[in-house]
Amino acid sequence: QQQVKQSPQSLIVQKGGIPIINCAYENTAFDYFPWYQQFPGKGPALLIAIRPDVSEKKEGRFTISFNKSAKQFSLHIMDSQPGDSATYFCAANRGNTPFVFGKGTRLSVIA
Amino acid sequence: EPEVTQTPSHQVTQMGQEVILRCVPISNHLYFYWYRQILGQKVEFLVSFYNNEISEKSEIFDDQFSVERPDGSNFTLKIRSTKLEDSAMYFCASAGPRNTEAFFGQGTRLTVV
Repeated sequence: QQQVKQSPQSLIVQKGGIPIINCAYENTAFDYFPWYQQFPGKGPALLIAIRPDVSEKKEGRFTISFNKSAKQFSLHIMDSQPGDSATYFCAANRGNTPFVFGKGTRLSVIA
Repeated sequence: EPEVTQTPSHQVTQMGQEVILRCVPISNHLYFYWYRQILGQKVEFLVSFYNNEISEKSEIFDDQFSVERPDGSNFTLKIRSTKLEDSAMYFCASAGPRNTEAFFGQGTRLTVV
């Protein structure tokens, strides 16, 4: 019930491609869904987040798509660059509860 | 830009020793967290702290672990008797009044030998 399932585990795309990372959740009480980006040796950094009252949110090259009925949300990175190579984590929480994280997706963008 | 700071960045300790990991959250934040990440694996929740007390803890957070906010700004994680399997990156995070936009520190790499 508290899990957030993330896929794929790893992803390799060419520069300029559009990697898509997917997450699914069970707890319908979750009401906040952030994505974090983590570079090796660093802490996770908040990238973009969405609430279930909208189906899409875009910030720069990053877009979250949210499907409330399917209990799924995904991260799209437009025009991906080698500098986007990192591990991406989806997360979810509700109210004052802790954030539950997915297992992470290691993205490699090759030139 | 405000940030969460953690010290030390790396700590090596002998098995059975006590360690204290320190964090300075963002000053106007109200929710505080400790997470850990074993190398290459997922970010795992340990404990949350709100209103000067533990609000939730995971099954990882057993009697060997404790948290304190000793002076109203610092937030510490103590491991009383470290085990080899405690070796991990430990991240502190804080969030504002709505408990969204959690900001993470750079982490403390704990190595138990």
